[in-house]
Amino acid sequence: DVKVTQSSRYLVKRTGEKVFLECVQDMDHENMFWYRQDPGLGLRLIYFSYDVKMKEKGDIPEGYSVSREKKERFSLILESASTNQTSMYLCASSLGSRPQEQYFGPGTRLTVT
Amino acid sequence: DAKTTQPNSMESNEEEPVHLPCNHSTISGTDYIHWYRQLPSQGPEYVIHGLTSNVNNRMASLAIAEDRKSSTLILHRATLRDAAVYYCILSRGYGGSQGNLIFGKGTKLSVKP
Repeated sequence: DVKVTQSSRYLVKRTGEKVFLECVQDMDHENMFWYRQDPGLGLRLIYFSYDVKMKEKGDIPEGYSVSREKKERFSLILESASTNQTSMYLCASSLGSRPQEQYFGPGTRLTVT
Repeated sequence: DAKTTQPNSMESNEEEPVHLPCNHSTISGTDYIHWYRQLPSQGPEYVIHGLTSNVNNRMASLAIAEDRKSSTLILHRATLRDAAVYYCILSRGYGGSQGNLIFGKGTKLSVKP
């Protein structure tokens, strides 16, 4: 079974802090994705990556950056956390040949105070 | 991008079939139809996808109308574990950034014992 793990289930940070969210997958998937999920807005794509060191902006990249130094790991970085970044963050991965069959992690609920 | 329309909520009885509808009247010829579901407190889970023909897998069946303007996800025997939000998603093609998923609000399925 594909496993996608995220570093924390719950995280509380202060405004202005730099925040790192880590995601690791164990199935050698080429593609990795970061989404955020908010009530009434559904899931929105922040960034995705097709390969190591490759990254592409999704629909809402402002205020975020990403890093993919190894194939199995995709990090989401909030350079200076703000209260409007309080959300559920979901990581996903997929094979390069089947990009839309995505496997999701359990999510990290981030609260910025 | 083509949009999907789903009912906000549906109810079903345990062990009965469930038909979850999705309208996508502006679908184009290369758009794939995907279904995901999200159980409470979990990340979304891939269910099934198709292009033109009906599809079956161990989780569900996907019935696609001949004109492709609508589709139906069929759960053959609902269980309590099937209570979730079900998302119908279109993606353009099946590769590259054109294949990114855009999640809508989905249908919340309740299953009564």
